Amino acid sequence: DADVTQTPRNRITKTGKRIMLECSQTKGHDRMYWYRQDPGLGLRLIYYSFDVKDINKGEISDGYSVSRQAQAKFSLSLESAIPNQTALYFCATSDLREKTGKETQYFGPGTRLLVL
Amino acid sequence: ELKVEQNPLFLSMQEGKNYTIYCNYSTTSDRLYWYRQDPGKSLESLFVLLSNGAVKQEGRLMASLDTKARVSTLHITAAVHDLSATYFCAVTFMDSNYQLIWGAGTKLIIKP
Repeated sequence: DADVTQTPRNRITKTGKRIMLECSQTKGHDRMYWYRQDPGLGLRLIYYSFDVKDINKGEISDGYSVSRQAQAKFSLSLESAIPNQTALYFCATSDLREKTGKETQYFGPGTRLLVL
Repeated sequence: ELKVEQNPLFLSMQEGKNYTIYCNYSTTSDRLYWYRQDPGKSLESLFVLLSNGAVKQEGRLMASLDTKARVSTLHITAAVHDLSATYFCAVTFMDSNYQLIWGAGTKLIIKP
C-alpha cells in the first residue's frame, strides 16, 4: 500500500466551483506539504504544515486554502476554481527526525486538475 | 531572490554516453536534493547532499555538491534507456524558512 495517497487522481471542474483535494499518509510524519506542478516549471509550494496546529503559506497560496484535520490528513481547497489553477497537484510529507537530518520529502501520486 | 536553475532543461543522448546535469543556486544553502520523475508519475528521492564536497552514488548516477561555487552536478555514466526521466534539483535556504525551492527540471531522453 502506498504511504502517501491522494484523492481524486483526476478531476475536471468548471470555473467558480469549489473543490477539495485530499491527502493521507501512513508514514507517521508530522510535516505535510501541497505543491503544484506546471509544464516546464519546477514545483511551487502552496501551503505547508509542521503539525496539526501549524499552517503556513507557501510561495503561491492565493486562491487556495488548507485544512490539517489530523496528523495523517491534509486537504487543499480551491474556493472558486479558475482556469489558471489547472495543474498537477502533489502532496508530500517529511520527518525532521529522519536519520542524519536529511528530511527527505516523500510524494503522493499527484492529482491532475483541469478547470474549464 | 532565491533561485535554483538547472541546465540543460532538455537533453537527448545515446545509450552508453556520459553526461552531466548542473544545478546552480543563488545563495547559501542548507541542503540540496535530487529527485527523479517518470512521465505521469510522482517524484522519487535520489540523493540529499548536506555539505561541501559531498558525493553520493547510486548505480550509474553520481551527485556532488560544491557549496562555494553554489553548484551541484548529477553525472550519468554509460547511460541506459531506463534512466530516461525528468530530474529535479531542490534546495533549502535559510531565507525560505528551509522550504524547498525547486529547479525547473531536466528532461532526459536516452535513445537505445
